[in-house]
Amino acid sequence: NAGVTQTPKFQVLKTGQSMTLQCAQDMNHNSMYWYRQDPGMGLRLIYYSASEGTTDKGEVPNGYNVSRLNKREFSLRLESAAPSQTSVYFCASSAGRRNTEAFFGQGTRLTVV
Amino acid sequence: GENVEQHPSTLSVQEGDSAVIKCTYSDSASNYFPWYKQELGKRPQLIIDIRSNVGEKKDQRIAVTLNKTAKHFSLHITETQPEDSAVYFCAASTAGSARQLTFGSGTQLTVLP
Repeated sequence: NAGVTQTPKFQVLKTGQSMTLQCAQDMNHNSMYWYRQDPGMGLRLIYYSASEGTTDKGEVPNGYNVSRLNKREFSLRLESAAPSQTSVYFCASSAGRRNTEAFFGQGTRLTVV
Repeated sequence: GENVEQHPSTLSVQEGDSAVIKCTYSDSASNYFPWYKQELGKRPQLIIDIRSNVGEKKDQRIAVTLNKTAKHFSLHITETQPEDSAVYFCAASTAGSARQLTFGSGTQLTVLP
């Protein structure tokens, strides 16, 4: 039981490049989330998926797109990376509704130069 | 949307002393309040949570209190130990299909030996 697995762990991009962050969970959770973590700002929600087939914007969605490929996988895409997107990205999942504990992946440290 | 404020941003205590971290929230519909601990370079992990129908919850040296009227909740750690040193995040969420969390900005707790 691996929990929530993110790839890659580290990435350096040049401004304007694109990339996709992958996330998979093996807990049969309904809901999945992408957060970014910046110093002094906590974790801010980028996008979330309440269930397979649905996605919604969070607090800071600009510059990102997501795909809920199936119940297990939720990817985050940066179409044209900008230095402001340098951050640590966390994927998380939860069973949803009353079972609300969110389990986090190990994080992806992204640097855009 | 929900707004969660967390204080203090840094907290240093002597080993064996107590530590208190406070959070306020803005949305009176929020009804779930978890606390996460994040050690350096690691993922956030749930340490305790409380629902709005409960005023206090305790788990060994950790306790959380909730004042719905004032819209604030607090984390109390007693008999602090060096391994309690970490960043602590409070969060709030409302009922809904995704239960997305809004996080505070975090508190860096340092327990001095």
